[in-house]
Amino acid sequence: KAGVTQTPRYLIKTRGQQVTLSCSPISGHRSVSWYQQTPGQGLQFLFEYFSETQRNKGNFPGRFSGRQFSNSRSEMNVSTLELGDSALYLCASSGTTGANVLTFGAGSRLTVL
Amino acid sequence: EDKVVQSPLSLVVHEGDTVTLNCSYEVTNFRSLLWYKQEKKAPTFLFMLTSSGIEKKSGRLSSILDKKELFSILNITATQTGDSAVYLCAAAQLQGAQKLVFGQGTRLTINP
Repeated sequence: KAGVTQTPRYLIKTRGQQVTLSCSPISGHRSVSWYQQTPGQGLQFLFEYFSETQRNKGNFPGRFSGRQFSNSRSEMNVSTLELGDSALYLCASSGTTGANVLTFGAGSRLTVL
Repeated sequence: EDKVVQSPLSLVVHEGDTVTLNCSYEVTNFRSLLWYKQEKKAPTFLFMLTSSGIEKKSGRLSSILDKKELFSILNITATQTGDSAVYLCAAAQLQGAQKLVFGQGTRLTINP
């Protein structure tokens, strides 16, 4: 079965712009989470969605937001981009059993100039 | 503050060597410890450990958890160049099924 699909894979933005990243989870998975990965901070949890509801949120400013649709697809948005937002953004999904075992997508590499 | 620390941060060995990667954690309401391998982009799942002292094995890889001393190790025997990757350790808590606290990762390089 298809894995976690993230689009776009690469994108370049300038400071002050906003960006929307998309994630399609594994078919049947209703939990979706987002992580930011940078060389300095490693993998950091952004937020988690289940059945269109945000269940958890990490310590990121309000410029970072997300949502989940009825088909479990998820989007995250970053507004007013800063240079420090340059990172690999990873989406993960899990089923109801083994909920801690996340399957990650290949990520969206965001570069902010 | 919840914290996961991995050591060493970087390791270079020769093909055929055995390596041990370490992971210590200080996490409230600990539920399980997970290991992932990240080669290029997507981390891929290796093991999930919830009980102390029970070794999990998959081929040349094995892992064990010590919940009293709050650490886990990942062993790789007879290493191959294909084992070169960043190995990530993460702790899961009772609340927040998908909220994992990750360590910095260990970059393992296997030279032929």
